[in-house]
Amino acid sequence: GNSVTQMEGPVTLSEEAFLTINCTYTATGYPSLFWYVQYPGEGLQLLLKATKADDKGSNKGFEATYRKETTSFHLEKGSVQVSDSAVYFCAPAGNNRLAFGKGNQVVVIP
Amino acid sequence: DAGVIQSPRHEVTEMGQEVTLRCKPISGHNSLFWYRQTMMRGLELLIYFNNNVPIDDSGMPEDRFSAKMPNASFSTLKIQPSEPRDSAVYFCASSLGDRASIIHQPQHFGDGTRLSIL
Repeated sequence: GNSVTQMEGPVTLSEEAFLTINCTYTATGYPSLFWYVQYPGEGLQLLLKATKADDKGSNKGFEATYRKETTSFHLEKGSVQVSDSAVYFCAPAGNNRLAFGKGNQVVVIP
Repeated sequence: DAGVIQSPRHEVTEMGQEVTLRCKPISGHNSLFWYRQTMMRGLELLIYFNNNVPIDDSGMPEDRFSAKMPNASFSTLKIQPSEPRDSAVYFCASSLGDRASIIHQPQHFGDGTRLSIL
């Protein structure tokens, strides 16, 4: 089945800093890849997706590129805001399953 | 447009009691998913339906858990009898797609039900 590895631990950074959250996955075939975001007290929301190799998903200043050769889908944002504080989940979809990572809490301080 | 609606938002009950969680998917969506979120285990898929038919229930922890989808606009997740280890946030999500493609489609989540079993 699918599995996903996200970097350990929360991420704390200052406003306007550069954010990277690493995600690597294992899956057979060509999974679709998603990043979801969860704001406090809410359900998950789709942030961006990519469906084939070298596709770049982007939304709200966030980007992630589908890297099949390294089985990665790292999330980046060039300048974070306090409102980006949330938990971010990487999720490959394949083998009839959407597998969520453990999530990374991001805290942006003013 | 209304999103996925879950009720109740919070539930506190004593162990041994029956708990019923409810979900109304987005109108027109034909797939519905139930998840459980805990600090220890993260987000786990319990079961999902396509066109009201259960497709994969391999994530349902044990026989105490059951889920139904009597029609396209309503689903329930029932725990009977409940135990303290069932305490978690339960999410419902919906999407649109056929059986072969549903997991590749974006899912729309409700705000969850926070369940505490004492």
